[in-house]
Amino acid sequence: DVKVTQSSRYLVKRTGEKVFLECVQDMDHENMFWYRQDPGLGLRLIYFSYDVKMKEKGDIPEGYSVSREKKERFSLILESASTNQTSMYLCASSQGQSSTDTQYFGPGTRLTVL
Amino acid sequence: GQNIDQPTEMTATEGAIVQINCTYQTSGFNGLFWYQQHAGEAPTFLSYNVLDGLEEKGRFSSFLSRSKGYSYLLLKELQMKDSASYLCAVRGHYDYKLSFGAGTTVTVRA
Repeated sequence: DVKVTQSSRYLVKRTGEKVFLECVQDMDHENMFWYRQDPGLGLRLIYFSYDVKMKEKGDIPEGYSVSREKKERFSLILESASTNQTSMYLCASSQGQSSTDTQYFGPGTRLTVL
Repeated sequence: GQNIDQPTEMTATEGAIVQINCTYQTSGFNGLFWYQQHAGEAPTFLSYNVLDGLEEKGRFSSFLSRSKGYSYLLLKELQMKDSASYLCAVRGHYDYKLSFGAGTTVTVRA
């Protein structure tokens, strides 16, 4: 079974803090993704990566950055957290470049910014 | 870009059938996915359609019409554990990103 893990289930930070969210997958997947999920808006893609040290902006990258130094790990960074970044953050990974590739999700990190 | 619409909520009785519709307008199309997400948990893969027609997997079936930009997920013989949010997602033609609808919350009542 594919396993995608995220460093924290719940996180509380203060406005202006730098926040790191970590995601690790154990199936040697090429692709990794970061989403945020908000009520009524669904999942929105923040950033994704097709390979080590490679990153692409998603639909809502503003206020975020990412790092992929190793294939199995994809980090999301909030440089200066703001209250509108309070959300559920979901990491996902998928095998490669086939159109049938399924994305597998981690359990999510519920971030609250005070 | 992608515009994906699905109903916000549906309620059904245990043992019944529920059909969740999803319509999409996309700049390219390379497959449609359905995911199930229980409250507080990660989305899990249910089904994938890339060609027109019906795909059946046990109690769950998914249908796709590419010409109409339309899909549905059919849940048969509903069980209480089927109470969850169901997410429709479309993959674009030139990349492997998924664009998600807002999700449909299904409540199964005894």
